[in-house]
Amino acid sequence: QSVLTQPPSVSGAPGQRVTISCTGSSSNLGAGYDVEWYKQLPGTAPKLLMYNNSNRRSGVPDRISGSKSGTSAFLAITGLQAEDEADYYCQSYDISLSAVVFGGGTKLTVL
Amino acid sequence: EVQLLESGGGLVQPGGSLRLSCAASGFTFRSYAMSWVRQAPGKGLEWVSAISGSGLRTYYGDSVKGRFTISRDNSQNMVYLHMMTLRAEDTAIYYCAKGYYDYVWGSRDVWGQGTTVAVSS
Repeated sequence: QSVLTQPPSVSGAPGQRVTISCTGSSSNLGAGYDVEWYKQLPGTAPKLLMYNNSNRRSGVPDRISGSKSGTSAFLAITGLQAEDEADYYCQSYDISLSAVVFGGGTKLTVL
Repeated sequence: EVQLLESGGGLVQPGGSLRLSCAASGFTFRSYAMSWVRQAPGKGLEWVSAISGSGLRTYYGDSVKGRFTISRDNSQNMVYLHMMTLRAEDTAIYYCAKGYYDYVWGSRDVWGQGTTVAVSS
């Protein structure tokens, strides 16, 4: 299993708010290492959404936000839209593994 | 426009070798860390390897350590992944990705379209 734990799936109706969690440990998020978030549409390469916990990549709407507290990080999407339907991955660094680590990914379905 | 273009993927037999290439353009190549990230069919993202902007520091995931070698040519704006002793579990789309800055552990802000490696007899 992945070093960073994400729920396999989340869903919400258009206009609603959803949150995707990313749970790590004392050797990654809990050690103070930043979390990054990526969005991947089917058949395409991942795209950076958020960097350094809460900074939006240029062009990412402000209805998408990121936060981190202790060993967990969160990606929140408000005003859900059809275009938000995708797979989302969190990423950080793990000092015990000396490696970049990804979460297993969360599939967001817009109902 | 910042672009990454991977090449070199293909079908290879178990135990074989392959070299992936990534051509970069649109940015000061030597100033940024570069990485390879792979995605097995129907699976999530797995970090494979990273290299600092100077090329002096290289890092590998446990599953490829000792079998894969990352390198870069800053005069040609190229990054490579030399893969040896390939296994069926190395089958994946391999993405080349640019670091947000010269820090191999941080975010990857530009990704190539990927090149597919299939290891099978």
